[in-house]
Formats: sequence, structure tokens, C-alpha cells
Amino acid sequence: SQQGEEDPQALSIQEGENATMNCSYKTSINNLQWYRQNSGRGLVHLILIRSNEREKHSGRLRVTLDTSKKSSSLLITASRAADTASYFCATEGINTGKLIFGQGTTLQVKP
Amino acid sequence: SQTIHQWPATLVQPVGSPLSLECTVEGTSNPNLYWYRQAAGRGLQLLFYSVGIGQISSEVPQNLSASRPQDRQFILSSKKLLLSDSGFYLCAWNQEGANGYEQYFGPGTRLTVT
Repeated sequence: SQQGEEDPQALSIQEGENATMNCSYKTSINNLQWYRQNSGRGLVHLILIRSNEREKHSGRLRVTLDTSKKSSSLLITASRAADTASYFCATEGINTGKLIFGQGTTLQVKP
Repeated sequence: SQTIHQWPATLVQPVGSPLSLECTVEGTSNPNLYWYRQAAGRGLQLLFYSVGIGQISSEVPQNLSASRPQDRQFILSSKKLLLSDSGFYLCAWNQEGANGYEQYFGPGTRLTVT
């Protein structure tokens, strides 16, 4: 069964606005990761947050993790047209090394 | 630095024909290797993974098979393609790091079965 579920499925915002995507999962994890995919391309790793961390920053990205609610959020601040892409969360299970991906959120940033 | 290659980039094959997609990784040794399939507008479905030469684990019963003849080579095959095999196939590798396993993806192969 699918581990990660993102919402919303699609998000459309204006350049300069913030974009927030959420991810929920079902089982215990070692870490949660966010990836970005431009149309027709492979996925690119954005950020990893460990199960004992609550918040992490990388440039304009902010990720939070709430293990009690089994949920995570990805915030992109001051969005740019170049941020238009699909964003996936992925969970690494305890001692598995395998990542289970969600269905993704498609983000459109209008110039 | 590590790089991952996939070929071909696009492929159109008739139903019933065989398939061979190749993935190679450079700049690392003994990586874990993965094959995913992505349907249009959907997430990734893990098909196969391998932790070493000749070691293949299948996640989902498929019309597909995988092989790892060399440490950094991963091949996805089919003897007879089905229409439902169409999709975007992604190869990926990872190794355990300080925080866990970060995955690195190839550029993908767009397969259309006609």
C-alpha cells in the first residue's frame, strides 16, 4: 500500500507567494525526504529530515515533521516560476533503505 | 562525483516485443539499485531493487524482470511487452549516508507500447 500521501494534488500560485505541500504516512520511519521532478525528467533530492528532527531549512525550503501525526510539510517561500514542478515526499522505513513515494503535488507558479 | 545513466531516453515498441532497458552508475561501488515505473501524473511504483550483484528483489508481480550482471549495471527486461507496460521508467541508486539513504535518479526512459 502507498506509504506517503500528499495534498493538495495540484497547487497554482502567483510568483512571490509561498507554497505549502503536505505529506502523511502510515508506518514508523527512519527519515522523510522531499524530491522535485520537472516534467519528463528524473527526480532530484531536495531535503531529508530525520525522525528525531522537527524542522529543517535549506535555502527557500522549510520542512517540518510531526511523527505523532505521521505528517510532514514542505514550504517554499517567495516562489519563482522556475519552482514549477511536481514535488514528492518519500519515507525510508526503519532499517530498510527503501524509499516509498507518495503520489506527488503538482505546483504551478505563474509569473 | 557519481553519475547515473539510462538508455534509451525514449522507446516505442509493439505489443509482444521484448524489452531491455539499461542503467549504469559511475563513481561509486556497491550501490543499491532500483527500478521504478511512473504512470502519467502519478507517483513512483517500486518494481525491483538490488543490494548486490545477482541479488534482485521484486516488489510487484510484473511482466518484467531485472538483472544485475555487474556491480554498477542494472537491466530491466521483458520477454513480451503488454500495453500496460507503457510508462516512464526510472533507475535510481543509493548508499547509506550519515542521515539515511538519499536516492539519486537517472533521467528516465519513456516507454510507449503500441
